[in-house]
Amino acid sequence: SQQGEEDPQALSIQEGENATMNCSYKTSINNLQWYRQNSGRGLVHLILIRSNEREKHSGRLRVTLDTSKKSSSLLITASRAADTASYFCATVGPGAQKLVFGQGTRLTINP
Amino acid sequence: SAVISQKPSRDICQRGTSLTIQCQVDSQVTMMFWYRQQPGQSLTLIATANQGSEATYESGFVIDKFPISRPNLTFSTLTVSNMSPEDSSIYLCSALPGVPSEAGYTFGSGTRLTVV
Repeated sequence: SQQGEEDPQALSIQEGENATMNCSYKTSINNLQWYRQNSGRGLVHLILIRSNEREKHSGRLRVTLDTSKKSSSLLITASRAADTASYFCATVGPGAQKLVFGQGTRLTINP
Repeated sequence: SAVISQKPSRDICQRGTSLTIQCQVDSQVTMMFWYRQQPGQSLTLIATANQGSEATYESGFVIDKFPISRPNLTFSTLTVSNMSPEDSSIYLCSALPGVPSEAGYTFGSGTRLTVV
């Protein structure tokens, strides 16, 4: 079963703009992770944020986590055409090992 | 982080037949997982592959349809049995490194299955 919703379901922006994707989840978590998938291929791990963290950065990526609202956001700054992909959030529950995925956002960067 | 080789990358199969998908990890991993991704959808966990014991299946998935093997800490197979067109999906394996890290989970490149 899916953990929650991601919005928007699809996002199309111009190269150089910032892209923000949101994720909501339903249950308590140990950590939340973001993944990228290009054209239905394997997933690539982008960033992990733990339940006791509020914000994390990695290069052009910024992730926030609000456990009181059970939500997270992924910001990609200065987008590039190569960022075109589907982005998924996934959660790991306390004491669990499995990932539970959100619905995903399809991001298109227009040159 | 671990690297997973998954094969086949794609296949077209006749209904009623079975397909076995293999995942080989280049290092020992504690947990392996199998996911299904239906066209245009997100990933749904099929089962957790346990080394030396039966897999743990999620609600809606059964062993007779999706038998899984995990003979050691680096290898697992998923079989899609008695296939129908509704089984057309991408199937992905995933592994959790032995030591939890910031690197997250590693995924195979996926098997794109079409049942005709």
